[in-house]
Amino acid sequence: QLQLQESGPGLVKPSESLSLTCTVSGGSISSSSYYWDWIRQPPGKGLEWIGSISYRGSAYYNPSLKSRITISVDTSKNQFSLKLNSVTAADTAVYYCARRSTVTIVHAFDIWGQGTMVTISS
Amino acid sequence: QSALTQPASVSGSPGQSITISCTGTSSDVGSYNLVSWYQQHPGKAPKVMIYEVSKWPSGVSNRFSGSKSGNTASLTISGLQTEDEGDYYCCSYVGSSTWVFGGGTKLTVL
Repeated sequence: QLQLQESGPGLVKPSESLSLTCTVSGGSISSSSYYWDWIRQPPGKGLEWIGSISYRGSAYYNPSLKSRITISVDTSKNQFSLKLNSVTAADTAVYYCARRSTVTIVHAFDIWGQGTMVTISS
Repeated sequence: QSALTQPASVSGSPGQSITISCTGTSSDVGSYNLVSWYQQHPGKAPKVMIYEVSKWPSGVSNRFSGSKSGNTASLTISGLQTEDEGDYYCCSYVGSSTWVFGGGTKLTVL
């Protein structure tokens, strides 16, 4: 059973960078059948797609965040990561990592991590 | 890209049917049959209920159904049950390998 687990600091200071890692267990990240995505949810608000990456390292970003984000993949560790620069209070959210399939549940986020709360505050 | 438009809330009684709309534009919902729907319970990660507009993942009840007309996708839940209560989000492909979610709809089962 494939599982995703987010990890990273729960508190980040304004203007600094937020870095999160998603560890994939129970399966390999190295498949052309999947993309690996980041999605966030501010407290009491809706979901926002942040970006995605393939195991080969092809990354795609939300245009509204593109100037501040980098998503990377480390196949040797079965992990992918998110870095968000110059954070403000508006970046306070639960951050989810998720798998998106191109072969079974096509282009839907079928497996999610439990989410990690990140608060931006001094 | 702007968030897809969903009603903030809908409600229904057990056994009834409800429909949640998801309105986009000709650049997203109207152009691609890549609309998915997610159910989220408080404090939990979302769960996919419908993909490719109208397909069910394994294990999802066929009380949930999806459709699309023009720039608007819809999720219908028939035979409402108390466990259906929660938040529902639509998501659409927008092109250029990017995606957008709806603002979410809170379903209350009275």
